[in-house]
Amino acid sequence: GAVVSQHPSRVICKSGTSVKIECRSLDFQATTMFWYRQFPKQSLMLMATSNEGSKATYEQGVEKDKFLINHASLTLSTLTVTSAHPEDSSFYICSASKAFTGELFFGEGSRLTVL
Amino acid sequence: GENVEQHPSTLSVQEGDSAVIKCTYSDSASNYFPWYKQELGKRPQLIIDIRSNVGEKKDQRIAVTLNKTAKHFSLHITETQPEDSAVYFCAASILGGNEKLTFGTGTRLTIIP
Repeated sequence: GAVVSQHPSRVICKSGTSVKIECRSLDFQATTMFWYRQFPKQSLMLMATSNEGSKATYEQGVEKDKFLINHASLTLSTLTVTSAHPEDSSFYICSASKAFTGELFFGEGSRLTVL
Repeated sequence: GENVEQHPSTLSVQEGDSAVIKCTYSDSASNYFPWYKQELGKRPQLIIDIRSNVGEKKDQRIAVTLNKTAKHFSLHITETQPEDSAVYFCAASILGGNEKLTFGTGTRLTIIP
């Protein structure tokens, strides 16, 4: 099956710093990648849709200047949490859409803790 | 946009019995309905999916049914085992459209040995 790798799996940072999370599709090209945030005991909430070579589309209520998304190639999308604060602590998961099947493949997730 | 509701939020079932989780969706254009199993701290794993051109799909102990008219779909797990304990999410999307998944709120399933 298709593999999506996400890195880092865990990150702890100080308040006010920026953190970058990478999402890679290892064995297929992903024209579209999605970024989700999941708080404890809650569902996955879509933050943004990332399309290769174009600006990301953010969901309502998600600050695009705080959560910078770059989809520079067909296999890599990055999420940068800028000026992180404790309330940004969460589990961030990416997924990649495989063309024509609609099936989503999820990364392992990145647990961000902001002190 | 799409809105997916899921019930129940928690479900406890004796080992060997069946479990049923139900979801409703709002967007009649949605045509793809996957179910995911998520263990604590891990990524969601696709366990079964159904497209709008069929009413039922089965894979061993797991089955999904879809009622397009009523806009609801259900997950059925038979002969439950302790390893079925996890959080289950339903989702809906439009294949051939923006393909973004909208997730239900999740069901925490506990299998009692």
